[in-house]
Amino acid sequence: AQKVTQAQTEISVVEKEDVTLDCVYETRDTTYYLFWYKQPPSGELVFLIRRNSFDEQNEISGRYSWNFQKSTSSFNFTITASQVVDSAVYFCALRDTGGFKTIFGAGTRLFVKA
Amino acid sequence: DGGITQSPKYLFRKEGQNVTLSCEQNLNHDAMYWYRQDPGQGLRLIYYSQIVNDFQKGDIAEGYSVSREKKESFPLTVTSAQKNPTAFYLCASSTPEIAPNTGELFFGEGSRLTVL
Repeated sequence: AQKVTQAQTEISVVEKEDVTLDCVYETRDTTYYLFWYKQPPSGELVFLIRRNSFDEQNEISGRYSWNFQKSTSSFNFTITASQVVDSAVYFCALRDTGGFKTIFGAGTRLFVKA
Repeated sequence: DGGITQSPKYLFRKEGQNVTLSCEQNLNHDAMYWYRQDPGQGLRLIYYSQIVNDFQKGDIAEGYSVSREKKESFPLTVTSAQKNPTAFYLCASSTPEIAPNTGELFFGEGSRLTVL
């Protein structure tokens, strides 16, 4: 069965600190996609990144970076120099290729204080 | 602007009543989804539809029903059989996985249902 675990329920940091959100997944599929979504207070989830299971290159986009390690089944998300606008709930998600079911973790609520 | 519109944003229901949540998209996506969000539990899939006139149960379909008569619309009915319907409901659609698309989900702003 597929499963996504985000062990950190809430994280609180002060602005400009770096913060890493952990994600561990389980799947028997050999090919799959991993995603991160951001849910601001408005409620709608916003797509941040997708990673294919065969591409373990880390990715950086501005202050955001993602570390995908297949050996540990982890797909961690780091925000560098956090800002108040980064305050949101962040979800890690998993889907097999060609499938229609995306499995979400429980989410990590990030508070960034000024 | 293209996107997903959910209505109403807030809804109150008495026990024993059915309610229907609206979801409309103008993104021309074939696939649409309904998720339920409860505090500390992430999102759980209720129903999904890959094409018009076809839909499948997700992980928690009991007490819910859907229809997909038009590509743009995927309404969700919360029936009186749903034992604990108070939750935040999110509708989504997805792009195909063919490049340059990534198959990610596009979400509406959600509907918060409270049973009194």
